[in-house]
Amino acid sequence: QVQLVQSGAEVKKPGASVKVSCKASGYSFSAYYMHWVRQAPGQGLEWMGRINPYSGATKYAQNFQDRVTLTRDTSISTAYMELSSLTSDDTAFYYCASGNDFGPTWLAPWGQGTLVTVSS
Amino acid sequence: EIMMTQSPATLSVSPGETATLSCRASQSITNNLAWYQQQPGQAPRLLIYEASTRATGIPARFSGGGSGTEFTLTISSLQSEDFAVYYCQQYSNWPETYTFGQGTKLEIK
Repeated sequence: QVQLVQSGAEVKKPGASVKVSCKASGYSFSAYYMHWVRQAPGQGLEWMGRINPYSGATKYAQNFQDRVTLTRDTSISTAYMELSSLTSDDTAFYYCASGNDFGPTWLAPWGQGTLVTVSS
Repeated sequence: EIMMTQSPATLSVSPGETATLSCRASQSITNNLAWYQQQPGQAPRLLIYEASTRATGIPARFSGGGSGTEFTLTISSLQSEDFAVYYCQQYSNWPETYTFGQGTKLEIK
């Protein structure tokens, strides 16, 4: 079945970077945008950006424009999200989620989430 | 930027009854709207896309409606597993943007 499996929880110090992976299976990885969404503890969902796995083209939300980098490795059907200059405000669950076309669409399925904790 | 506003923030409804959740866009998004359900400790799950189309495997008691700027998610005959947080999300093409509402918590009355 269509599935997204993310890498495990991370603990980082302020100022560091984190890189989260998202491995896709059960469908053609290059066929749909891959999105990343953040959820701080007890808070709502915040769209961070997306990558076109076929071309590598990216679009980022303004709030993350300067600190996030989305990449992919099509040979292993895996997308990556790297967030730099971490602060305690970046402590959150990070989800990958597949789009359903090239272009803006709904998001499904979602990965299980990766908890990133930023603490000194 | 398109803003999405959900109401109410919390909705208390008894099992077996009907819940109606609202989502308003700051400008017209035609029918480019999705609804998600999130259970505690879980990832969001797609319920509805294109404002009114149920996703695969979603029970018929979930229905979506609206277009333009006003949208609703109706859940009839509420069951225990329906009590969760619900988010709406817009996806627009010109320019390409994605925005979530702040969520509605549906709790047992």
